[in-house]
Amino acid sequence: QKEVEQNSGPLSVPEGAIASLNCTYSDRGSQSFFWYRQYSGKSPELIMSIYSNGDKEDGRFTAQLNKASQYVSLLIRDSQPSDSATYLCAVNNPTNAGKSTFGDGTTLTVKP
Amino acid sequence: GAVVSQHPSRVICKSGTSVKIECRSLDFQATTMFWYRQFPKQSLMLMATSNEGSKATYEQGVEKDKFLINHASLTLSTLTVTSAHPEDSSFYICSAFFGHRDYGYTFGSGTRLTVV
Repeated sequence: QKEVEQNSGPLSVPEGAIASLNCTYSDRGSQSFFWYRQYSGKSPELIMSIYSNGDKEDGRFTAQLNKASQYVSLLIRDSQPSDSATYLCAVNNPTNAGKSTFGDGTTLTVKP
Repeated sequence: GAVVSQHPSRVICKSGTSVKIECRSLDFQATTMFWYRQFPKQSLMLMATSNEGSKATYEQGVEKDKFLINHASLTLSTLTVTSAHPEDSSFYICSAFFGHRDYGYTFGSGTRLTVV
């Protein structure tokens, strides 16, 4: 079992729809959770971080965390073609010297 | 915001030569940097953790003599791919965390290495 698992994808949604990206993790000591967006041929960029159970909203993005279920998700509302990218879930255990564990990513395509 | 500058962005080299990739933290001090490699359509693979003033910590399976990492200052880490071979062709990316280690990474722009 991988430490961080994401929807295998690819995920395709029409423009304006809600895209839902899911991630589960196995390390119960994880305390910090991140979503990165990576456009093809580019390096990842941090778009959301979440540390407490519940929802965290930032513009069209909402991260949801459920530590009991070891589950973190990212919702993208009003999806735009520019949101088409690979989304990487990452988790940190504070005992792991700052090293994040990344999932394999889910590729999202938003069709106009 | 925090910026990590990585150079070069692309490099083509002949098999058997060495290539140095630089990663600089701008406007902040990065005591720790991470070096990743990414093959096409695959996820990030952590190669090593670079610590200022000490030896890098390599992940299992990564040859430390082939991938030399130097972190001589709080703002500069370098990765040298020695005696490069075509199978070393990949996308190399550095990252650092700005502020608290749990605030997430800032990534460099990446280096596309092609060994011919």
